[in-house]
Amino acid sequence: AQTVTQSQPEMSVQEAETVTLSCTYDTSESDYYLFWYKQPPSRQMILVIRQEAYKQQNATENRFSVNFQKAAKSFSLKISDSQLGDAAMYFCAYRRETGANNLFFGTGTRLTVIP
Amino acid sequence: NAGVTQTPKFQVLKTGQSMTLQCAQDMNHEYMSWYRQDPGMGLRLIHYSVGAGITDQGEVPNGYNVSRSTTEDFPLRLLSAAPSQTSVYFCASSYGPMKTQYFGPGTRLLVL
Repeated sequence: AQTVTQSQPEMSVQEAETVTLSCTYDTSESDYYLFWYKQPPSRQMILVIRQEAYKQQNATENRFSVNFQKAAKSFSLKISDSQLGDAAMYFCAYRRETGANNLFFGTGTRLTVIP
Repeated sequence: NAGVTQTPKFQVLKTGQSMTLQCAQDMNHEYMSWYRQDPGMGLRLIHYSVGAGITDQGEVPNGYNVSRSTTEDFPLRLLSAAPSQTSVYFCASSYGPMKTQYFGPGTRLLVL
């Protein structure tokens, strides 16, 4: 079974600074997808960024980028120029390429942005 | 385009009562899923559907039933609510197995 581990229950960052959230996963598959979702207090799950395992290039979406280390099964999220609106729970998620379209989630990291 | 909608937003049930959580999407997505979110446990898959008329169990299916009579709707039924089902429930949909899942706003359920 696939497992996703987020070892940082809470993180904080000063506004305008950079923070990195960690995620590791366990799988025997060679092809899969990885995601970071943001959950603000409204509870809505919002896709932040996605990475296909077959791509060596790290995904980037504006201030959000990932460091994908396939051999190490690591998938960290870097948030640059942190803003107050970035404060939320962040979930790392894994999905196999084939079979059911379900996501396996980590337990989340609560990010606080300090003004 | 409303995306994925869920009703109700919040519900209180007594143990043993039944209810249906509604989920609808207007994006013509084939894949739909139900997750529950409990404190400290992330989201876990309850049931999913790969198309109208096709459903399957996820990680934590016990106590829940689903059906998929149309592409748009994927209701989740609790036949006899238990306090252990107190949780926040999310519905999600996507075009297909390789596509990004989009989540509804969630339903908060409290079972007394």
